[in-house]
Amino acid sequence: DTGVSQDPRHKITKRGQNVTFRCDPISEHNRLYWYRQTLGQGPEFLTYFQNEAQLEKSRLLSDRFSAERPKGSFSTLEIQRTEQGDSAMYLCASSIGQRNTEAFFGQGTRLTVV
Amino acid sequence: GDSVTQMEGPVTLSEEAFLTINCTYTATGYPSLFWYVQYPGEGLQLLLKATKADDKGSNKGFEATYRKETTSFHLEKGSVQVSDSAVYFCALTGTGTASKLTFGTGTRLQVTL
Repeated sequence: DTGVSQDPRHKITKRGQNVTFRCDPISEHNRLYWYRQTLGQGPEFLTYFQNEAQLEKSRLLSDRFSAERPKGSFSTLEIQRTEQGDSAMYLCASSIGQRNTEAFFGQGTRLTVV
Repeated sequence: GDSVTQMEGPVTLSEEAFLTINCTYTATGYPSLFWYVQYPGEGLQLLLKATKADDKGSNKGFEATYRKETTSFHLEKGSVQVSDSAVYFCALTGTGTASKLTFGTGTRLQVTL
């Protein structure tokens, strides 16, 4: 297993378009997290899944954002009607779901909305 | 809510200098504390962690001690190398079941010869 992978690495889109990102976690990890990181800031929590169940969503996750994790494997994050303020690095992380265990991060998808 | 405050960077040091990056936190209960590192072009990696008061996390010559009385988790290294140049993030997981990370803003370290 090569770790958490995210696709695409970079995405440039026009304002108002929809975009979808994919995250493939480490195979035995049952928890999957999405974070957003803007320039000069630390990552901010968006949402997480325990297997296929989405258990928590941040108030940062507006109704234009939706995340899924069908079958508890890969996850997708969709942003509808993108806005310039959505420009950021979107990070995915996975873990085995026990308290205090390490979360492994992917390299992220950098979204630029023009 | 939970929060983490880190010293602002960038921090520029000469090779073999002593490093301290300050980190303080606000959280209810007994959070777990982490330092993550992001090398240029790479994803975030766990550097070290401490899960209870007075624990010391250590890795690759870096150390940090969980100080509950001062709500701090300062990162130290006795002798930095050029290869330590990266962005360092202090983070915590609160007492909830999600184990979601709350990060500081990051501190960029530049080590020169």
